[in-house]
Amino acid sequence: AQSVTQPDIHITVSEGASLELRCNYSYGATPYLFWYVQSPGQGLQLLLKYFSGDTLVQGIKGFEAEFKRSQSSFNLRKPSVHWSDAAEYFCAVLFSGGYNKLIFGAGTRLAVHP
Amino acid sequence: EPEVTQTPSHQVTQMGQEVILRCVPISNHLYFYWYRQILGQKVEFLVSFYNNEISEKSEIFDDQFSVERPDGSNFTLKIRSTKLEDSAMYFCASSEWGSGANVLTFGAGSRLTVL
Repeated sequence: AQSVTQPDIHITVSEGASLELRCNYSYGATPYLFWYVQSPGQGLQLLLKYFSGDTLVQGIKGFEAEFKRSQSSFNLRKPSVHWSDAAEYFCAVLFSGGYNKLIFGAGTRLAVHP
Repeated sequence: EPEVTQTPSHQVTQMGQEVILRCVPISNHLYFYWYRQILGQKVEFLVSFYNNEISEKSEIFDDQFSVERPDGSNFTLKIRSTKLEDSAMYFCASSEWGSGANVLTFGAGSRLTVL
């Protein structure tokens, strides 16, 4: 069955530290991959996406993600975290075939210490 | 930047009451969606809608739910007789295309609290 796994429920980092949020998916072919961010009380904002081509994609707010086919992963990274990055991050996958139906991971809640 | 607008931002209702959540998708988008996020859980697909018809729906989307595009701009989700377990954040989304490499743009959500 198609699924998306975010193994880390909560992550705490210090401001200025680097960040990596993990995402793995289960699917037979290459899906379309997304990271969304949800700040407290806010909606879902698209950070970045991967459709094809270069496996390292850049997004907004200084985030990047790397698609690794061999590991079925799409990890989100940021070299230096800011306090305003505290939010919940969702990996989502769009599986080909049929109409758009994003499958979301459970989310990773990021806390940033000053 | 174009955005998806949802109203109300928060609604409190009594169990058994009907609720209508409203959404204004991006104007040139043709495909519309509702997703749900129960507190502390993952975002779940409810339904997709195109050309005035439901394209796909999840098992969550039972007979208590309905969607409609009553005019050229609004897209609504109706819950006929709310239950406690319907308490959740409901997200509307829209996209230009219905499949393939495509981006869904989400609204800020409508928080429904059923008492």
